[in-house]
Amino acid sequence: AQKVTQAQTEISVVEKEDVTLDCVYETRDTTYYLFWYKQPPSGELVFLIRRNSFDEQNEISGRYSWNFQKSTSSFNFTITASQVVDSAVYFCALRWAGNMLTFGGGTRLMVKP
Amino acid sequence: DGGITQSPKYLFRKEGQNVTLSCEQNLNHDAMYWYRQDPGQGLRLIYYSQIVNDFQKGDIAEGYSVSREKKESFPLTVTSAQKNPTAFYLCASSSSLNNEQFFGPGTRLTVL
Repeated sequence: AQKVTQAQTEISVVEKEDVTLDCVYETRDTTYYLFWYKQPPSGELVFLIRRNSFDEQNEISGRYSWNFQKSTSSFNFTITASQVVDSAVYFCALRWAGNMLTFGGGTRLMVKP
Repeated sequence: DGGITQSPKYLFRKEGQNVTLSCEQNLNHDAMYWYRQDPGQGLRLIYYSQIVNDFQKGDIAEGYSVSREKKESFPLTVTSAQKNPTAFYLCASSSSLNNEQFFGPGTRLTVL
């Protein structure tokens, strides 16, 4: 069975702090993809990153970085120098069997000025 | 501009009525999906369609129906058999050659 766990339901930080959102996944597939999406208050999900199971290189995009570790089945997301505009719900997701996505429960990030 | 549109943004329904949510995409994507999101929870898959005139049940299909007569359109009907239909509904699409699903702005359905 496929499962994605985001243990942190809510995180509150002060602007400019660094924050890491945790994601742990379970799958028996050897080939799979992991994703992060951002859901701002407007409701639409915004794609952030895709990572396949054969590529464990960490990735950095501006203030965002992702740490993929197959040994611990984790795909954590770090925001450096957080800003108020980063306030949103963030979802980690696992793709298996074609285009099916299994989502975690989401982490609500609140960045206070 | 390419993208996914959902209408209406807000929808109110009386108990016992069927209601249809619209989803249109002009991204030329083969696959389309419907998800339900309840407050404080993740997304759950209702139905998906990999190709025109074909669709499959997701994890929570009971009380819902879909059709896929055109590549661009994937309407979702919430029937009176759905016990707790109040939720936020998100439509998505993806290319058969790509992995990312792109999402529409969502429809918030409230049953009065």
